[in-house]
Formats: sequence, structure tokens, C-alpha cells
Amino acid sequence: QVTLKESGPALVKPTQTLTLTCTFSGFSLSSSAMSVGWVRQPPGKALEWLARIDGHDDTFYSTSLTTRLTISKDTSKDQVVLTMTRMDPVDTATYFCARMIGVAAITYYFDHWGQGAAVIVSS
Amino acid sequence: SYVLTQPPSVSVAPGQTARITCGGNNIGTKSVCWYQQKPGQAPVLVVYDDSDRPSGIPERFSGFNSGNTATLTISRVEGGDEAEYHCQVWDRSVDHVVFGGGTKLTVL
Repeated sequence: QVTLKESGPALVKPTQTLTLTCTFSGFSLSSSAMSVGWVRQPPGKALEWLARIDGHDDTFYSTSLTTRLTISKDTSKDQVVLTMTRMDPVDTATYFCARMIGVAAITYYFDHWGQGAAVIVSS
Repeated sequence: SYVLTQPPSVSVAPGQTARITCGGNNIGTKSVCWYQQKPGQAPVLVVYDDSDRPSGIPERFSGFNSGNTATLTISRVEGGDEAEYHCQVWDRSVDHVVFGGGTKLTVL
């Protein structure tokens, strides 16, 4: 059974760095065909992809946020960590981690999602 | 960057067929997937690779993709289908995941 769960602070101050951890089970992040990605959703708005890391430690970032994001994994703990620097109130959102399946360099899709972690950015 | 366009809302009566579109430049050359998201919950994959369904998703959910439009069709709509639906593709040229703006399906 595949599960993912996000953890991290519910409240951060502007200019601070957000660190979110995704703890997963039921699969191994050990090949390029499988990744763990992060997606966020501001209240009442659309989903936005942020980053992903695959089993070979290759990382990929949203162009609009690449200077603020770092994604890494700890295979021994089955965890993926996302850091986002210079947090701003517009970054207030629910942050989801999800398992991504890649198919022959044709597509990637999210087949299992965590429950999400709500983050508010406010002083 | 690649853009996906969805109608903000679609309404349908129970038992009827709902069609939700996702527009993009030559989207027919990409593989499209669809997610259902109910309030306060995480998205759930309902269609991937244009028209495949994950296990546990009813056959009432189907997908088609051609030209500049992909379509999610929900047959015999039920009250439990009321949700936000998001389309998604992978933009291979920049290795980015792209989501549509989401469509709110209301069951009248």
C-alpha cells in the first residue's frame, strides 16, 4: 500500500525559509521512472507543480520558482524534503507531495498523493 | 510556457453526461491525465495517458484527446461526482508538469 504524508510548519513568517518533509511508504524511490513531486494549491486556486526528484537523484524545478526551491531525498528514511526560501504571503497554500510515474519519457502523472499540509505565511 | 485552459464550471443533471474540456496547443500530441478533487481533499487520479483508468475508477469516467482539446467525459453523473477536475500534461521540452486551471463540476 502506497502512502505519502507531508509534515512541516503550519505558519511561517515572511522572508523565512519553509522546510517540508514527505515521508512515504509502499514503494522504493530507486529508478528514473519513479519520482516524488511537490504541488501546491493556494486557497480557491489551481494546482501548481513545484519540483520533483527521481530515483537517480535528478531534480527538476518549476522555472518560475527555481531560484527559491531545493528538493532532496533521504533514501534511508524514505523521505523527500522541499525547501522554499524567501517566503511571502502569496505562498500561502496547501502543499502536497505525490508519487509520480514516468512512462517512457512521454508523460509523468501523479498516482498517489499525500493529504496535504496547509502553510500560512504571515507576520 | 505551455498553457492548459479549462472552463471554470460545468453543470449537469444527475444521470446525464458531463464533458469537461482541456485546451492546449497541439495537446493531442501529449499525454493527458485528469484528477478529481473534492473540497478539503487531495486530488485523485481518474484518467491517465489520455484514456486509461486506474484500478477502482468507474468505467463512467473516460477520456479522449485530439487536436487542441482533451475531454473528460463522465457518464450517468451522480451526486458524488461533484468536485473540481484538473487536467495535466508533461511538457517534455522543459521537463515541467503543467496543470489546467480546474473545472468545478456541479450536479444539479
